[in-house]
Amino acid sequence: QKEVEQNSGPLSVPEGAIASLNCTYSDRGSQSFFWYRQYSGKSPELIMFIYSNGDKEDGRFTAQLNKASQYVSLLIRDSQPSDSATYLCAVKSATGNQFYFGTGTSLTVIP
Amino acid sequence: GAGVSQSPSNKVTEKGKDVELRCDPISGHTALYWYRQRLGQGLEFLIYFQGNSAPDKSGLPSDRFSAERTGESVSTLTIQRTQQEDSAVYLCASRGGSFLVETQYFGPGTRLLVL
Repeated sequence: QKEVEQNSGPLSVPEGAIASLNCTYSDRGSQSFFWYRQYSGKSPELIMFIYSNGDKEDGRFTAQLNKASQYVSLLIRDSQPSDSATYLCAVKSATGNQFYFGTGTSLTVIP
Repeated sequence: GAGVSQSPSNKVTEKGKDVELRCDPISGHTALYWYRQRLGQGLEFLIYFQGNSAPDKSGLPSDRFSAERTGESVSTLTIQRTQQEDSAVYLCASRGGSFLVETQYFGPGTRLLVL
């Protein structure tokens, strides 16, 4: 079982819709969770991090964390074509300094 | 500098040759990570440096891979006797000094192609 699992997609949504990206993780003790966006041929850039159960909102982005279900999600409201990218979920190890990344979900926002 | 820099940006080498990849972290960042990203895949942890502590080498895939870091500055990742399966993008990331600051900032990567 991989440490972090994501649906690879591709996920396509029309412009203006809500895109929902999901991630599950195996390390129950993990406390820190991150969403990165990676454009094709570019390096990952941080969108949001979340530490506590519940929702965390930042502009059009909302991260949701449910530690009991070991589940993290990212919602993108009013999706724009510029949101088209691969979204990587990352989880920090509970016992060390490693960050485990999922394989990413490819999102395409259709104008 | 303003961000993490890596060199070279692209490297083409022949199977069996050694390569050295360089990473310059953000000034003041004590933590430095190396990752490997194969085409269409996620990031694979390779090694972690924190200040002057012993590095966490648990992600290195074989003894052909090694990395060094001088203090809190430049790091080099060396791959000896390269194989075709080493072809990937090698990403370096640095992180701030406080253990509370967990955001990693990534460099542009080195694209390695082993022929």
